[in-house]
Amino acid sequence: GAVVSQHPSRVICKSGTSVKIECRSLDFQATTMFWYRQFPKQSLMLMATSNEGSKATYEQGVEKDKFLINHASLTLSTLTVTSAHPEDSSFYICSARALSGRDYSTDTQYFGPGTRLTVL
Amino acid sequence: GQQVMQIPQYQHVQEGEDFTTYCNSSTTLSNIQWYKQRPGGHPVFLIQLVKSGEVKKQKRLTFQFGEAKKNSSLHITATQTTDVGTYFCAGRSGGYQKVTFGTGTKLQVIP
Repeated sequence: GAVVSQHPSRVICKSGTSVKIECRSLDFQATTMFWYRQFPKQSLMLMATSNEGSKATYEQGVEKDKFLINHASLTLSTLTVTSAHPEDSSFYICSARALSGRDYSTDTQYFGPGTRLTVL
Repeated sequence: GQQVMQIPQYQHVQEGEDFTTYCNSSTTLSNIQWYKQRPGGHPVFLIQLVKSGEVKKQKRLTFQFGEAKKNSSLHITATQTTDVGTYFCAGRSGGYQKVTFGTGTKLQVIP
């Protein structure tokens, strides 16, 4: 199946610093990527939808100035957590949508391995 | 907003027993996807259902999409220890790209 990578896999940072997470689709072009966060033993919460060449669409309650998303190419999207605080500590997962047809009814999401962020 | 609930939240079964998780959406879905997440891992896509009343099988796994397209189920026959993990459904409404993940069902298989 399609492969999506994330870097870094794990990051520990001090409060107040910014952290950038990269999401790459390795063997396919992804016009759309999604960013999720997952708290321990909980479900995935969609943060934003990232479309190549345009501004990301953020879910209600997600601060766009805090979680900066850039989708500069068809294979790369980045999420920057700005001025991170301990409450931002979480598992951040990206997924890339692989089109297999002309409508969304046939597409598939492939998830990256995730990035565990710990803010001290 | 759209809510997707799953029951049960946890399930412990003896190896060889069957297992079923149910997914219910507050709104009608255009399609539903199922994922499996192993402990410490990321979600892995299992299947997508689109049609009302659709039933699909993958070896020991049977997936159903309700007639009203508001609920779905995943049934595993004769569970194995390799089935351990959390199973999530994820529903998509209308023509939107995003999916809303269900609350998940954590399956533990006792050897």
